[in-house]
Amino acid sequence: SQQGEEDPQALSIQEGENATMNCSYKTSINNLQWYRQNSGRGLVHLILIRSNEREKHSGRLRVTLDTSKKSSSLLITASRAADTASYFCATDEEETGANNLFFGTGTRLTVIP
Amino acid sequence: SQTIHQWPATLVQPVGSPLSLECTVEGTSNPNLYWYRQAAGRGLQLLFYSVGIGQISSEVPQNLSASRPQDRQFILSSKKLLLSDSGFYLCAWRDRVEAFFGQGTRLTVV
Repeated sequence: SQQGEEDPQALSIQEGENATMNCSYKTSINNLQWYRQNSGRGLVHLILIRSNEREKHSGRLRVTLDTSKKSSSLLITASRAADTASYFCATDEEETGANNLFFGTGTRLTVIP
Repeated sequence: SQTIHQWPATLVQPVGSPLSLECTVEGTSNPNLYWYRQAAGRGLQLLFYSVGIGQISSEVPQNLSASRPQDRQFILSSKKLLLSDSGFYLCAWRDRVEAFFGQGTRLTVV
């Protein structure tokens, strides 16, 4: 199953601007992760936020989590052309014992130089 | 360090032909292994996962099967491919939290 939905589906910004992507999910989670995928490649882990955390930073990345709204956002500050990629949120369902990771539909980010 | 290998990178197969995609992991033991499929411009659909040798769980009914003959080897197969099997297939393994992906196989069924 796929329980995450990213918004917007596509985002185009100028280099130097900030990019914000949102993710909504359906069930209770243990943690939420964000991944990046360059075109035609595998996914790479960016950042994880646990269900008891509200905000987390890593370099130019800032992630927030609102478990009451079942939503998360990923902010990329001072974007660069190299940030062009698709970004996915992924969740662990709290009740699932199989350690499965379910991905959202992704946001395709284009940073224009 | 752990690495994951997936091959081939691209594959064009006729309808009705068999399929075998292989994935191997190095640098870890008894990993949880996963096969995902990604349709063009879409998210990842979990197809199969395995928590150990010979243990396969399927998330969705389909024309595909998976096997895990060795601890660090995960194979995705089909006896007869359908046009709808086209897509980007990704193998992944997971430590307690983070998932590590192979580079993917672009399968086109013609």
